Amino acid sequence: GAGVSQSPSNKVTEKGKDVELRCDPISGHTALYWYRQSLGQGLEFLIYFQGNSAPDKSGLPSDRFSAERTGGSVSTLTIQRTQQEDSAVYLCASSLAGTALHFGNGTRLTVT
Amino acid sequence: AQSVTQPDIHITVSEGASLELRCNYSYGATPYLFWYVQSPGQGLQLLLKYFSGDTLVQGIKGFEAEFKRSQSSFNLRKPSVHWSDAAEYFCAAPGGSSNTGKLIFGQGTTLQVKP
Repeated sequence: GAGVSQSPSNKVTEKGKDVELRCDPISGHTALYWYRQSLGQGLEFLIYFQGNSAPDKSGLPSDRFSAERTGGSVSTLTIQRTQQEDSAVYLCASSLAGTALHFGNGTRLTVT
Repeated sequence: AQSVTQPDIHITVSEGASLELRCNYSYGATPYLFWYVQSPGQGLQLLLKYFSGDTLVQGIKGFEAEFKRSQSSFNLRKPSVHWSDAAEYFCAAPGGSSNTGKLIFGQGTTLQVKP
């Protein structure tokens, strides 16, 4: 597609439930990133995928967070047993290696 | 540790006035530096980037930024602001690795434009 696509755009879930957030990067982009944007914390790096290399998971805040990237394209960020502090906007970005990021519009997650 | 600081949380300017948004970085080597803009409900859009070479960088929408090593700054400027420029602006730099996408962001500056 023309840009990075994220779905859903909004997600409301109950505390304790699992959620899956999807990211469709720009075709041909080998690098894919997940960031979290929340009040008080600003923009935080979560995880990075580059080609077939092992992902850089250094930004994941807890073991409740995981992500995968299938076939080097679509990525899913999973949050298990959601907590209220997980409420944030989750942004996905993609790029060609060594170039600037292209961001999607994000998924706004609200945990009630 | 590397850091990016945007000293101004909120700025208000009149339409047609000039604009300068400040960004300071803490980085050992010559950094890569970026400015992104975020409109409400949207993702981040790249305005401009500095990788090397000319320290005055031109971006989209009439924005420019100047890298000043002596001041550890990368301030964003626009000579004449339009109402559509109202948004949140983020300065960013790589977080200490060669991975230029693993970014550290400043806290953001919200720009309000008065008619």
